[in-house]
Amino acid sequence: GNSVTQMEGPVTLSEEAFLTINCTYTATGYPSLFWYVQYPGEGLQLLLKATKADDKGSNKGFEATYRKETTSFHLEKGSVQVSDSAVYFCALSSVYNQGGKLIFGQGTELSVKP
Amino acid sequence: DAGVTQSPTHLIKTRGQQVTLRCSPKSGHDTVSWYQQALGQGPQFIFQYYEEEERQRGNFPDRFSGHQFPNYSSELNVNALLLGDSALYLCASSLGRGTGELFFGEGSRLTVL
Repeated sequence: GNSVTQMEGPVTLSEEAFLTINCTYTATGYPSLFWYVQYPGEGLQLLLKATKADDKGSNKGFEATYRKETTSFHLEKGSVQVSDSAVYFCALSSVYNQGGKLIFGQGTELSVKP
Repeated sequence: DAGVTQSPTHLIKTRGQQVTLRCSPKSGHDTVSWYQQALGQGPQFIFQYYEEEERQRGNFPDRFSGHQFPNYSSELNVNALLLGDSALYLCASSLGRGTGELFFGEGSRLTVL
């Protein structure tokens, strides 16, 4: 079945450090891929998405590229800020499921220290 | 523009009881999906409602049921509560059933004692 695997957290970085959170997936067909972020005390928010191979999603300085050959969608940011501290979820939506059914990874907690 | 709102935010129940959680979708959205998020885990899909009917369902028992009203709001009902039902229940809304771009509420935290 379809699944998403993320690197385990927590990840602790200093401000302005480079961030990578690994995400790999297993899916039939060509899924859409997403990163959601959950700030403390808030609901999940869509951070970025990519709907086909080689697409790059970007938002708020974060980027992720849909790599079909390695079935990956790693999240990167060149210089993190304290305000980026949150839990990040990688997710996929299979083309065979009509919207609304996202399959999430287990989440990676990021803590950025000043 | 109000986002997705859920109620109640926190509640405590005992084993065997029943619970109803409520969700109002983002303005203009017509599709509601429910997710269960256990502590330290990613959300798991329960079911989706569109046009007042359950359209998709995840691997959850029949104890979990739902409803969508003509104004697109939705309820999640859980019967015969188990300790393992303790979790954050998230409602997400979207326009139509495609794309996977969901808008989430802050959730209802259910504790079963």
